Amino acid sequence: DAGVIQSPRHEVTEMGQEVTLRCKPISGHDYLFWYRQTMMRGLELLIYFNNNVPIDDSGMPEDRFSAKMPNASFSTLKIQPSEPRDSAVYFCASSLTGRAFFGQGTRLTVV
Amino acid sequence: GQQLNQSPQSMFIQEGEDVSMNCTSSSIFNTWLWYKQDPGEGPVLLIALYKAGELTSNGRLTAQFGITRKDSFLNISASIPSDVGIYFCAGRMNYGGATNKLIFGTGTLLAVQP
Repeated sequence: DAGVIQSPRHEVTEMGQEVTLRCKPISGHDYLFWYRQTMMRGLELLIYFNNNVPIDDSGMPEDRFSAKMPNASFSTLKIQPSEPRDSAVYFCASSLTGRAFFGQGTRLTVV
Repeated sequence: GQQLNQSPQSMFIQEGEDVSMNCTSSSIFNTWLWYKQDPGEGPVLLIALYKAGELTSNGRLTAQFGITRKDSFLNISASIPSDVGIYFCAGRMNYGGATNKLIFGTGTLLAVQP
């Protein structure tokens, strides 16, 4: 299995631009999580899905952030418009039996 | 956002020493997971615990699911330089109607002196 695949690995964008991060979970997994990691706040859960349905989005910072999971093999996290304080590493993870596996992350820099 | 209390924040030890770190919470968890993260990489799962009192080993690593279901610890025996990294605990919980929510501890930075 290829594991959780995230793209892009690195993204540099200008403030105000729209950013879309992508995730392909492990085939057969029924949970998908989006996290943001910063030095100050550690690993924060933004939103998670079960069987493609959003279960809890209370961690999404504000309306500029949105996430979708149109099917079992794909999810996106969108930031529009982006701001410098959104700079962080964004991780996607998927799980089936309680064990969650992470992708390599997307390092986002907003200048 | 919610986070688990993880301690210590950092540890600087000599190669060959044993290491212990733990996580505590005021909430009950149904699963505890322990991860290691290397620079520039995503967290990698080390051990998963599913029952209160469960003690599980993975090589030199041993982890336990606390009896109260509110804590867990990880021990590393005979540390080696490649154990360097950040270790995270994570717990799955049912919270406010949301099931299997997975939240993370604040991390323990481990440095091993050869």
